[in-house]
Amino acid sequence: GAGVSQSPRYKVAKRGQDVALRCDPISGHVSLFWYQQALGQGPEFLTYFQNEAQLDKSGLPSDRFFAERPEGSVSTLKIQRTQQEDSAVYLCASSEELAGGDTGELFFGEGSRLTVL
Amino acid sequence: KNQVEQSPQSLIILEGKNCTLQCNYTVSPFSNLRWYKQDTGRGPVSLTIMTFSENTKSNGRYTATLDADTKQSSLHITASQLSDSASYICVVYSSASKIIFGSGTRLSIRP
Repeated sequence: GAGVSQSPRYKVAKRGQDVALRCDPISGHVSLFWYQQALGQGPEFLTYFQNEAQLDKSGLPSDRFFAERPEGSVSTLKIQRTQQEDSAVYLCASSEELAGGDTGELFFGEGSRLTVL
Repeated sequence: KNQVEQSPQSLIILEGKNCTLQCNYTVSPFSNLRWYKQDTGRGPVSLTIMTFSENTKSNGRYTATLDADTKQSSLHITASQLSDSASYICVVYSSASKIIFGSGTRLSIRP
C-alpha cells in the first residue's frame, strides 16, 4: 500500500507478557518515529530513526521498551513485561528528510491499540 | 521547557457555524508549525504547515494563522460540516527529531 501500515491494530496482553508492534513506513522515507498516545491526549514522542540508526530514544519510558529498524525500513517496537500503564495507542509515523535536515510532513499509521489486563 | 498548549480542550458547535482553535507554544528553536486532524481511531493527518515567515494560509475551509512574535497560532474552520468532528492537534517542529505535539482540541459538530 501507499501509506504507513501498522500491525496488529489491536492487542490485548496479560500483565507481564511481551508484545511486539510492527510498522511498515512509506517506501523511501528516511525518518521513522514512534509515539505513544493516551486517551484524550496528543501523541508523546518515544523514539526516532533515520534509516537504520536510532538517533533519539529519549522518550522511551523505561528499559522495558525497545525499538529497532535493522534494515532502515520496517520497524518493531517491543515492550517487555507489559504493565497496565503501558495501555495506549502506539503510533508510527514516517517522513522524508528535507534539504537542510528538516523533517517533512509526518505520515501516520492507524496505530496499534494495546490493552494490558 | 518546550511546550505546546491548545485551547479550548473541547468544543461543540452546530453544523454550518464557524470556530477558531488556539495554540500557544514555547518551542525553541522554531522550524515550522503544523495543524493535524485526527479522526477517532485513526492516525493524525496534516492540514497545514506554517513557516516562520508566513502569517496566514488557507486549505479549503481551514485557515491557519501564525504570529511568530507572540508564539501563537490559530486554526479557523468556516461553515463547519459533520465530517469536521475530530481532534485538531497543533504540532511545532523544532529540529529533525524534536517535534512537540499539543494535547489537541476535540471538536464536535452537531446537526
